[in-house]
Amino acid sequence: EAGVTQSPTHLIKTRGQQVTLRCSPISGHTSVYWYQQALGLGLQFLLWYDEGEERNRGNFPPRFSGRQFPNYSSELNVNALELEDSALYLCASREGGARQPQHFGDGTRLSIL
Amino acid sequence: GENVEQHPSTLSVQEGDSAVIKCTYSDSASNYFPWYKQELGKRPQLIIDIRSNVGEKKDQRIAVTLNKTAKHFSLHITETQPEDSAVYFCAANFGNEKLTFGTGTRLTIIP
Repeated sequence: EAGVTQSPTHLIKTRGQQVTLRCSPISGHTSVYWYQQALGLGLQFLLWYDEGEERNRGNFPPRFSGRQFPNYSSELNVNALELEDSALYLCASREGGARQPQHFGDGTRLSIL
Repeated sequence: GENVEQHPSTLSVQEGDSAVIKCTYSDSASNYFPWYKQELGKRPQLIIDIRSNVGEKKDQRIAVTLNKTAKHFSLHITETQPEDSAVYFCAANFGNEKLTFGTGTRLTIIP
């Protein structure tokens, strides 16, 4: 069974640009979560999608947005990139309810110059 | 608020000794507590989880204990090996079904 896949693996952008990151969940998983992990730091919750709807978002500005498609894959969009957006962006998927584990992808390393 | 505190932030143990990492959570309604291991440059991987209807769970050298009254849970690794070196994150769910993660513990096993 394929795990959570994310693309691209690495991305270099400049300030003010826009970026789209992609995530395909494990087959059968309907919930997708996005996290930001700055270098050497913990995982900060960004967004949660389930059945095509945004269910919750973390404490991030509106320039962080996303969507979930009918096949449960998801995109994370970041507009007006800032230097502090440099981080590893991790996607996780989950099957079933709140007491089921989340499984992570390998992430997208975003560097802002 | 939704808060998970994790201690210590760094931990070094001799190979073969035990390691213990502790977390506390803020919401008594939390009922799911996973632990993740993240090796350098890799994805976080689930190593063990516990639900609030049990007080302890064990999987080979890894165990997790949960004290619901005190709102804390701990990861225990016995007979540590060099490949146990990694960053470990605890997490707790909150009513809105998202996980809040602790700040991580960098575990170093000294050969």
